[in-house]
Amino acid sequence: EDQVTQSPEALRLQEGESSSLNCSYTVSGLRGLFWYRQDPGKGPEFLFTLYSAGEEKEKERLKATLTKKESFLHITAPKPEDSATYLCAVRRDTGRRALTFGSGTRLQVQP
Amino acid sequence: DAGVIQSPRHEVTEMGQEVTLRCKPISGHNSLFWYRQTMMRGLELLIYFNNNVPIDDSGMPEDRFSAKMPNASFSTLKIQPSEPRDSAVYFCASSRDSNTGELFFGEGSRLTVL
Repeated sequence: EDQVTQSPEALRLQEGESSSLNCSYTVSGLRGLFWYRQDPGKGPEFLFTLYSAGEEKEKERLKATLTKKESFLHITAPKPEDSATYLCAVRRDTGRRALTFGSGTRLQVQP
Repeated sequence: DAGVIQSPRHEVTEMGQEVTLRCKPISGHNSLFWYRQTMMRGLELLIYFNNNVPIDDSGMPEDRFSAKMPNASFSTLKIQPSEPRDSAVYFCASSRDSNTGELFFGEGSRLTVL
């Protein structure tokens, strides 16, 4: 069974204080790893797709990286508007094709 | 361009009542997903459709849950009879096809069963 574990569960940062969120995964044949952002009372919003170890994607203050066992979401000089829950998900290349999500990291950036 | 539209946004009902949640996917999207989110279990897949056909319903908790997609622009998730443990936020999401992991989520339907 596919497993996705995210850490930490919650993270509080000061504005400008860079940090990383972790996503560890176990999946039989990784088809892709995905990062989503979820604001309170909203549905998740797609951020990145990573397909192979060594791949990196960037968007504004966010950079996602992938290894064979985990992914990191690096947040550089965060702003209060980056406060949200960040979800990681995996998709396998055979069998169930739908995404399996981790439980998320709740990020709070204080001004 | 309209996103995924879900209704109702909030539903409060009593145990034993029937609940129907509705979803209109993004036009042109061929895959539709129903997820359930709770604090304890996070975001769980219930069922997904590809070209209106159910592909994987292994996440549907039990026979009390059923989902239909009569056409490309509409899907329903029905719970009958509802129980307090069904209380959760139910999300519908759509994607262009089954090969992409870029899902577009609706704003969810928050269900409370008393």
